[in-house]
Amino acid sequence: DADVTQTPRNRITKTGKRIMLECSQTKGHDRMYWYRQDPGLGLRLIYYSFDVKDINKGEISDGYSVSRQAQAKFSLSLESAIPNQTALYFCATGLANEQFFGPGTRLTVL
Amino acid sequence: GQNIDQPTEMTATEGAIVQINCTYQTSGFNGLFWYQQHAGEAPTFLSYNVLDGLEEKGRFSSFLSRSKGYSYLLLKELQMKDSASYLCAVREYGNNRLAFGKGNQVVVIP
Repeated sequence: DADVTQTPRNRITKTGKRIMLECSQTKGHDRMYWYRQDPGLGLRLIYYSFDVKDINKGEISDGYSVSRQAQAKFSLSLESAIPNQTALYFCATGLANEQFFGPGTRLTVL
Repeated sequence: GQNIDQPTEMTATEGAIVQINCTYQTSGFNGLFWYQQHAGEAPTFLSYNVLDGLEEKGRFSSFLSRSKGYSYLLLKELQMKDSASYLCAVREYGNNRLAFGKGNQVVVIP
């Protein structure tokens, strides 16, 4: 079984819809992260959490929100999706010297 | 904040050696990471450097010079499966976040 799972793996939605991307991990790590990846722009940090009561904004948090429901679960929400949020989204969990990435969610906003 | 620069693409022959460079500027360096990412897949961890010098791990080696803000990843005995994007990421003191470069696409040809 995969250590970091993301659901859904692919999603097509329309402008204005609310979308939730979910991430679960079985590695027992406290640290969890959400990134988005766009062609030519690399990975950019959206939000991160160092434990259940700790939520921090990354470099591109506008238009996104997160919920850390448990140590193992970290969800990313788009309250009102817009086309420029079309991207590949990765969840990651981390130790001090390494991060482990989930398989990614490909989101398309029409 | 950080500024991370990597060349965008290079082509190399199977069996050869390729060096991928990364330069960075940061206000408080606390580690440099290299990740490999195949198209459409999650990044996977390759190496971590926090002190100056060379870290060797099989066919992959990573070098760091903190005074020059410079790192390279060396891939030896190139194989076709090494065709991927190689991401350099820098961690800054105080926040344990990673800032990623845009990645260097390596194409291995027979």
